[in-house]
Amino acid sequence: EAQVTQNPRYLITVTGKKLTVTCSQNMNHEYMSWYRQDPGLGLRQIYYSMNVEVTDKGDVPEGYKVSRKEKRNFPLILESPSPNQTSLYFCASSLIPRGSGISYEQYFGPGTRLTVT
Amino acid sequence: KNQVEQSPQSLIILEGKNCTLQCNYTVSPFSNLRWYKQDTGRGPVSLTIMTFSENTKSNGRYTATLDADTKQSSLHITASQLSDSASYICVVSETSGGYNKLIFGAGTRLAVHP
Repeated sequence: EAQVTQNPRYLITVTGKKLTVTCSQNMNHEYMSWYRQDPGLGLRQIYYSMNVEVTDKGDVPEGYKVSRKEKRNFPLILESPSPNQTSLYFCASSLIPRGSGISYEQYFGPGTRLTVT
Repeated sequence: KNQVEQSPQSLIILEGKNCTLQCNYTVSPFSNLRWYKQDTGRGPVSLTIMTFSENTKSNGRYTATLDADTKQSSLHITASQLSDSASYICVVSETSGGYNKLIFGAGTRLAVHP
């Protein structure tokens, strides 16, 4: 079954304790992305990756790191989490949509609810 | 600034009734517009994708329309069911730097009551 998986689904941690949220896709997609979703706001992009070893900042990258050592995995790293990073996080993947009029569906993972106290 | 605005913010309807959700955008250059359904605690799932040349697209009881001139889209849900209770997110794709960046609306929360 084609899917994007995230782990853990729920995480409660304390300020400053490093954590990693894993993301894996089995569709051989080049493009992967991390979003956070907060009440009243649309999904905001944190980081994205166009391919292995190619990553770039999204709209809200501060306090986050990513890596793309393999095509299927795109972990999100919080080196020193803070309470303002309490949020619902989604990983997504797709083929690379280039050019006007070309569109590929973006597949989302089930989400990771993170609470930082 | 590229933006996507959705209305209403939330909506309550009775089972079996129809409803229409609105999306206005200022994204340019425009590539395509998508509607996603997001159940509580789940990831968004794509309902429709429309390019600038498409005026309407249907997926079962969901029908999306697009007016690229006025930069407006709507999602019409026919004969609503309890399982339609979810958030509906309008996403506009901006062509930027050779790839398409997605701009997300805040969503409309729909509650269908029996």
